[in-house]
Amino acid sequence: QVRLQESGPGLVESSQTLSLTCSVSGGSTGSDRYYWNWIRQPAGKGLEWIGRIHTSGRTNYNPSLKSRVTMSLDTSKNQFSLRLTSVTAADTAVYWCAAYTDYTTSLDFWGQGTLVTVSS
Amino acid sequence: YELTQPPSVSVSPGQTARITCSGDALPKRYAHWSQQKAGQAPVVVIYKDTERPSGVPERFSGSTSGTKVTLTISGVQAEDEADYYCQSSDISSSYVVFGGGTKLTVL
Repeated sequence: QVRLQESGPGLVESSQTLSLTCSVSGGSTGSDRYYWNWIRQPAGKGLEWIGRIHTSGRTNYNPSLKSRVTMSLDTSKNQFSLRLTSVTAADTAVYWCAAYTDYTTSLDFWGQGTLVTVSS
Repeated sequence: YELTQPPSVSVSPGQTARITCSGDALPKRYAHWSQQKAGQAPVVVIYKDTERPSGVPERFSGSTSGTKVTLTISGVQAEDEADYYCQSSDISSSYVVFGGGTKLTVL
């Protein structure tokens, strides 16, 4: 069973860069079976997909965030990461890392989520 | 690309709840349903339109018709009160898309 764990600062200053890492166990970020995703949820609101990365290096980002998002993969550490630049208060949310396989394509594996607050 | 869900659905215990999700690409792209309880990560209850993961109660079922998919919960129980999200992709499979979520209230 794949397990995911987010880590990173819980507080980021406005206009700075948000950086989060997701550590993976029970599965390999080098496997071509999995797609590794970031998703966020502002308090009281719905889920917003940020983007995904595959071991092939292919990335896809939400068009509304594309200009500010970069995702990367470190197979040696079995981790993947998110960078979101020029953050504002609107980026305050619980950030989740999640994964799906090419069999189900449903987001079957989720981390516990981490709250990131953007301070002004 | 958007997936449209009703904001809320209310049913009494033992009744049937139906939550819909509409999107132009749904005839050609699978939809999945997740349940999210307060403070928790979402959990998939239906994948590939109609498939139920192991461990999910049989009262959860999915169906599809044209540009609409439906999550049906038969014999709703108090523990089913949660937010439900449909998830799919755009027609080119470049993006993951979520519906806005439906809050199921068990009266």
